[in-house]
Amino acid sequence: GEDVEQSLFLSVREGDSSVINCTYTDSSSTYLYWYKQEPGAGLQLLTYIFSNMDMKQDQRLTVLLNKKDKHLSLRIADTQTGDSAIYFCAEKGSTDKLIFGTGTRLQVFP
Amino acid sequence: ETGVTQSPTHLIKTRGQQVTLRCSSQSGHNTVSWYQQALGQGPQFIFQYYREEENGRGNFPPRFSGLQFPNYSSELNVNALELDDSALYLCASSGGLDPTQYFGPGTRLTVL
Repeated sequence: GEDVEQSLFLSVREGDSSVINCTYTDSSSTYLYWYKQEPGAGLQLLTYIFSNMDMKQDQRLTVLLNKKDKHLSLRIADTQTGDSAIYFCAEKGSTDKLIFGTGTRLQVFP
Repeated sequence: ETGVTQSPTHLIKTRGQQVTLRCSSQSGHNTVSWYQQALGQGPQFIFQYYREEENGRGNFPPRFSGLQFPNYSSELNVNALELDDSALYLCASSGGLDPTQYFGPGTRLTVL
């Protein structure tokens, strides 16, 4: 079946790096995504990675993909208070629908 | 470039009523997907429309139905509302070679 799992909470100090992890079960995943959701808002795309890549860097964001272990991570360098939000991992398989995890709430404290 | 818009922002209904939610896709996109996000959960796929035809459906009952119009905007209709239908309903548009779905701000539905 299709399932995406994430840890529920992460708390980091401002200026440190944050690493949010995700595991998925669908071996036919083509793309994997990270979205950010602030309170009461929709989903903002942060970045995505094609399944035949193992790393993608975009400014402060680094995505690592271990396809063998079906593990995806998002590293945010120099985390700021404005990064506090819920982060969702999502995968797209052979169909065009997205399967989302339950989200990781990132709290950044001064 | 116009982003994805949804209306209304908030809606309150009672059990048994019917509701219609609307979504305008991003310029140049021909595919609209609808998701339901219950409180504290990740979004769950309801269905997708591509060029006015349903193109995949999640595990939702037939009282959830939709339409896509020639301008690629879309509606989500829910009949016989239940308390568990209370959620944030998100619309996403996509199209062309870009593999990404771009989300609107959502409609918050409360069923009393």
